[in-house]
Amino acid sequence: DGGITQSPKYLFRKEGQNVTLSCEQNLNHDAMYWYRQDPGQGLRLIYYSQIVNDFQKGDIAEGYSVSREKKESFPLTVTSAQKNPTAFYLCASSVPGQGQHTYEQYFGPGTRLTVT
Amino acid sequence: AQKITQTQPGMFVQEKEAVTLDCTYDTSDQSYGLFWYKQPSSGEMIFLIYQGSYDEQNATEGRYSLNFQKARKSANLVISASQLGDSAMYFCAMRAPLWGNNRKLIWGLGTSLAVNP
Repeated sequence: DGGITQSPKYLFRKEGQNVTLSCEQNLNHDAMYWYRQDPGQGLRLIYYSQIVNDFQKGDIAEGYSVSREKKESFPLTVTSAQKNPTAFYLCASSVPGQGQHTYEQYFGPGTRLTVT
Repeated sequence: AQKITQTQPGMFVQEKEAVTLDCTYDTSDQSYGLFWYKQPSSGEMIFLIYQGSYDEQNATEGRYSLNFQKARKSANLVISASQLGDSAMYFCAMRAPLWGNNRKLIWGLGTSLAVNP
């Protein structure tokens, strides 16, 4: 089955530690995204990547880093510089291109990160 | 500035009845797309329906339809014959402009829908 996997579902870390969240897709999508969701809030874009070896900062990139070495994978590292890392993290992918198409984003199940 | 506004933090509906979830948007782009997503308690975001700014017909997908009123800048989601499984958060999102390589979505804060048996 095609889809997006994120692991683990729940992640616990001590303050001051870096942590990497996994995101893998087998939809053959070129574009991938990382969002953060806090309680009672909408989604906020952290980073996105439209092609391999290229990525752009979103609205809240400070304290996060990403890599895109393979089309299928877009891991997100939450660094110790992120002041409030406890949140729900969602990875998504979509088909890029030109013109007026839907290009809806498909989402993974999310990772709930708790830092204490 | 581009913005999505969902004014209903929470809604209740009786099973088998229809419900409308409000979404208003603001953009200066002539070409844009509007999306609705469902987020059940499990957390995954599920794409429901899409409306392009140049689409003349309102979008429909099964029990979901989009009441698109361009002059009022509104894109309300209508769920017909509500089911218990429709209980979830619902998010409205916009991509503007549609042309070019822009793939970023602007998101609303969501509406929590509870379906009563």
